[in-house]
Amino acid sequence: DQQVKQNSPSLSVQEGRISILNCDYTNSMFDYFLWYKKYPAEGPTFLISISSIKDKNEDGRFTVFLNKSAKHLSLHIVPSQPGDSAVYFCAASAHSGNTPLVFGKGTRLSVIA
Amino acid sequence: DGGITQSPKYLFRKEGQNVTLSCEQNLNHDAMYWYRQDPGQGLRLIYYSQIVNDFQKGDIAEGYSVSREKKESFPLTVTSAQKNPTAFYLCASSTGGQETQYFGPGTRLLVL
Repeated sequence: DQQVKQNSPSLSVQEGRISILNCDYTNSMFDYFLWYKKYPAEGPTFLISISSIKDKNEDGRFTVFLNKSAKHLSLHIVPSQPGDSAVYFCAASAHSGNTPLVFGKGTRLSVIA
Repeated sequence: DGGITQSPKYLFRKEGQNVTLSCEQNLNHDAMYWYRQDPGQGLRLIYYSQIVNDFQKGDIAEGYSVSREKKESFPLTVTSAQKNPTAFYLCASSTGGQETQYFGPGTRLLVL
């Protein structure tokens, strides 16, 4: 049973527009959420995180929004650039638990020039 | 310059052979992890270790073995019991079990 779900396997966006990547989770104990970016044949790189005590965290062009009641988070990239084309993984953890991060299956973002 | 290194970048395995993938970190992280990524798939956890001399099975541990004799090192052995070993293997580390993980560059394992 997937605890972290990224229901869109792929997304295409025009350069300069907003990219919105979505993630849903089922475990109400999750209290820390992260987004990673991955290029082919490379390791994922940490992008941005959010704690459950917040509903928004911003870092430059990247903003993560958390809706705890809906068990939903999203990553907004504004403006999108061709270099943003990659696979984005959502991950979650529960600090009260003893298990590592749980990852979604990823969404492939293509930013078209 | 702190980070995680994985070697080799490419590894070839013959039928019936055990191979070992190296992972080293100089971030002074307590926890280390091994993941497998297959085409079109997410990251599946093989093994993880939260402290030296201790490790736990992940979701797909069958056919793999690990050791954690030093804080900096977490080698993964792909045994002959792993019938479908061709994949991209990623090592990661973190300060604690539920904290942000930082990944190495990966090793691609191919079967001859």
